[in-house]
Amino acid sequence: EVQLVESGGGLVRPGGSLRLSCAASGFTASSNFMNWVRQAPGKGLEWVSVISNDANGGNTYYADSVRGRFTISRDNSKNTLYLQMNSLRAEDTAVYYCVRDENWGYDYWGQGTLVTVSS
Amino acid sequence: QTVVTQEPSVTVSPGGTVTLTCASSTGAVTSGNYPNWFQQRPGQAPKALIYSTSKTHSWTPARFSGSLLGGKAALTLSGVQPEDEAAYYCLLFYSGAQRVFGGGTRLTVL
Repeated sequence: EVQLVESGGGLVRPGGSLRLSCAASGFTASSNFMNWVRQAPGKGLEWVSVISNDANGGNTYYADSVRGRFTISRDNSKNTLYLQMNSLRAEDTAVYYCVRDENWGYDYWGQGTLVTVSS
Repeated sequence: QTVVTQEPSVTVSPGGTVTLTCASSTGAVTSGNYPNWFQQRPGQAPKALIYSTSKTHSWTPARFSGSLLGGKAALTLSGVQPEDEAAYYCLLFYSGAQRVFGGGTRLTVL
């Protein structure tokens, strides 16, 4: 059974840093494109970042809103996806979801982890 | 900056049929945008319904279908059930590995 479990969310001050983790099970994460998607309170979904599978070089891509501040990565030995978030702003406050991309389909989503940026 | 537009809200009667659409600011939506559709109920994570325009996941109820309609991606619900009341989001893929979600449609079953 495919499962994605996020962790690492919490309260952080503006300008601070946080690292989110997404533990994958039931499949090999390095075989898929893997994404982070976020949802601010009461708002819609926003795509944040994607890392390609190993066959495509593990390349990384970002939304304009986070490029230069966030870094997506993967530890294949732990079958875990990460999102390192630096220089956090109030507008980064959101639930962050880890999402698997299978053949151009976002099929499995984690339950999400809440990040709150506030002083 | 690419914008993907959906109807903000739609109301449908139980048992009825409704079509939600998803438009791109760059022009007509094509199969090359690999349209995806998701359902999100309050307090829950989004649930995948449709991918690559019209392909369904193993868990997608048969009353949900996807298509291209008039230059837009479309999600049609036939025989709407009360439990279909939710927010629906589309997702489009663009060159340069960019992905953009629509703003979402709140579907009310009344």
